[in-house]
Amino acid sequence: GAGVSQSPSNKVTEKGKDVELRCDPISGHTALYWYRQSLGQGLEFLIYFQGNSAPDKSGLPSDRFSAERTGGSVSTLTIQRTQQEDSAVYLCASSLDRAETQYFGPGTRLLVL
Amino acid sequence: DAKTTQPNSMESNEEEPVHLPCNHSTISGTDYIHWYRQLPSQGPEYVIHGLTSNVNNRMASLAIAEDRKSSTLILHRATLRDAAVYYCILGTSYGKLTFGQGTILTVHP
Repeated sequence: GAGVSQSPSNKVTEKGKDVELRCDPISGHTALYWYRQSLGQGLEFLIYFQGNSAPDKSGLPSDRFSAERTGGSVSTLTIQRTQQEDSAVYLCASSLDRAETQYFGPGTRLLVL
Repeated sequence: DAKTTQPNSMESNEEEPVHLPCNHSTISGTDYIHWYRQLPSQGPEYVIHGLTSNVNNRMASLAIAEDRKSSTLILHRATLRDAAVYYCILGTSYGKLTFGQGTILTVHP
């Protein structure tokens, strides 16, 4: 079956611009996670959605970052007024339920010039 | 979140077994031990997980110490496609995974 998909695969933007990153989780998965991986670094948790519960935003690095999940399916991560330190690979994962195996998408490579 | 400690890198020869260690001395009773791996330019991929007993699946085996303060991921016959960064992660019932730096596994032909 279809796995987690993310778009765009690559995004180049100018400092100060807003960007939107999209994640399509596996159908039926109730949990959705966003992570960030800076060059040569491990994965950093950003935000977590579980069903209709309030999302866990504890990993968002600043108020320039926000995410939403519409209809319990597709999620969008928005970065406002991008900075060069936002350059990273943004990874989305979904799982059947919380604490289940997470399936990762291929990531969006963001470069802020 | 409880932390894990892994060697920065390990090397193996093709078709030989590989034992990747992980220390997690502050593990709590409800923490599962997860292993994921990340191939170059790809998202992480689930490998195996366990709680107390040793686990086997088609990809690998997980040996968990009796006191649960350490575990070992075993690749029975390494292939070139197993070259990746391997992450040992403690996961709670909450679901969030906290990735460390992982072990870079190099497989020599």
